Amino acid sequence: GEKVEQHESTLSVREGDSAVINCTYTDTASSYFPWYKQEAGKSLHFVIDIRSNVDRKQSQRLIVLLDKKAKRFSLHITATQPEDSAIYFCAASMWTGGYKVVFGSGTRLLVSP
Amino acid sequence: GPKVLQIPSHQIIDMGQMVTLNCDPVSNHLYFYWYKQILGQQMEFLVNFYNGKVMEKSKLFKDQFSVERPDGSYFTLKIQPTALEDSAVYFCASSSTGGSETLYFGSGTRLTVL
Repeated sequence: GEKVEQHESTLSVREGDSAVINCTYTDTASSYFPWYKQEAGKSLHFVIDIRSNVDRKQSQRLIVLLDKKAKRFSLHITATQPEDSAIYFCAASMWTGGYKVVFGSGTRLLVSP
Repeated sequence: GPKVLQIPSHQIIDMGQMVTLNCDPVSNHLYFYWYKQILGQQMEFLVNFYNGKVMEKSKLFKDQFSVERPDGSYFTLKIQPTALEDSAVYFCASSSTGGSETLYFGSGTRLTVL
């Protein structure tokens, strides 16, 4: 089945710098790639997504890139702020007779002032 | 925004007992999911549910696990009997049209099996 690998378990940046989180997936049938943010002790909430028919999407300070040939996608957070500190999960979704959303292991991002 | 409610937020039970975790999904959503998270780390897929049926389940969805959503009521995850390794935070999620759309997560139920 689909496996999603999230390469950075932790990432520390200074406020104002950019942060990049990289993920890879195994199943070429995956077609939808969302990102979720989890703040300490809280639930996950959606931040941005990308579908397999495009290779780039931007929403304010967030950019996601998708390289289908390499089966790789990434989240770029520009001009980081302390409130960006959280665990970020990448995910891949595919139809298997029902939609299955498989998550990466999470990246703990720390933005220091 | 849309909210998924999970009840209770914490549950402590003795090993071998039964537990039911309750989820009130977003009202017009059709797809429902359970995930298990241990120690704030990996979100492990357990099961997805649509139109009254389990569509897919993972190896973590043991025979002791079951899900259902009787009409108009909660989407539930039942574990019977519980084991120590079932201790985790269980997140319910729902989506409107399946996994190609945003999942909305509840705040989780922290289950402690003693």
